[in-house]
Amino acid sequence: GQQLNQSPQSMFIQEGEDVSMNCTSSSIFNTWLWYKQDPGEGPVLLIALYKAGELTSNGRLTAQFGITRKDSFLNISASIPSDVGIYFCAGEETSGSRLTFGEGTQLTVNP
Amino acid sequence: GAVVSQHPSRVICKSGTSVKIECRSLDFQATTMFWYRQFPKKSLMLMATSNEGSKATYEQGVEKDKFLINHASLTLSTLTVTSAHPEDSSFYICSATGDREENSPLHFGNGTRLTVT
Repeated sequence: GQQLNQSPQSMFIQEGEDVSMNCTSSSIFNTWLWYKQDPGEGPVLLIALYKAGELTSNGRLTAQFGITRKDSFLNISASIPSDVGIYFCAGEETSGSRLTFGEGTQLTVNP
Repeated sequence: GAVVSQHPSRVICKSGTSVKIECRSLDFQATTMFWYRQFPKKSLMLMATSNEGSKATYEQGVEKDKFLINHASLTLSTLTVTSAHPEDSSFYICSATGDREENSPLHFGNGTRLTVT
């Protein structure tokens, strides 16, 4: 089946620093999604990407859909303590189809 | 829009009993719901895909008689963990899709923490 390689697995940063994480796939996805999950909660959608090359921002978050449709990155600028959590990328082959998830990036922000 | 509600958020049960988890789409009709299982510090693992009015499609290695899925209406799917054992303790999450607008992404429920004692 399809696999998503997400890196890094974990990050420890100081408040105010910028963060970057990425996902790569051996297969093409039509949609890339980035979610954040807090402990004991379900994933919350951060950014959705629908077109190859698309660059989308949501506040301090920016994500891009790779030209080859096999990769995506998420950047967080000027991190704050509430950014702590696990970030997942997910790929969707077609609208309404199952999601394939990356393994997650655990982000820790030190005040 | 696209709100998915999951209930209960936490449940503790004794070994051998069955537990039912509900997943509801609150503002759209969900023709398809997905059930995931998540172990601590791990990613979401798809268990099954549930289509309204038909039998669920289970992923390889997931026991369909153990994890019963019912999707009898366009707004409700249920996952029943039958004869639960401690190894079934986990975080279960649902997501739903259906008559979404084009390019509207999947949203997830808030998950159910199951503890089997």
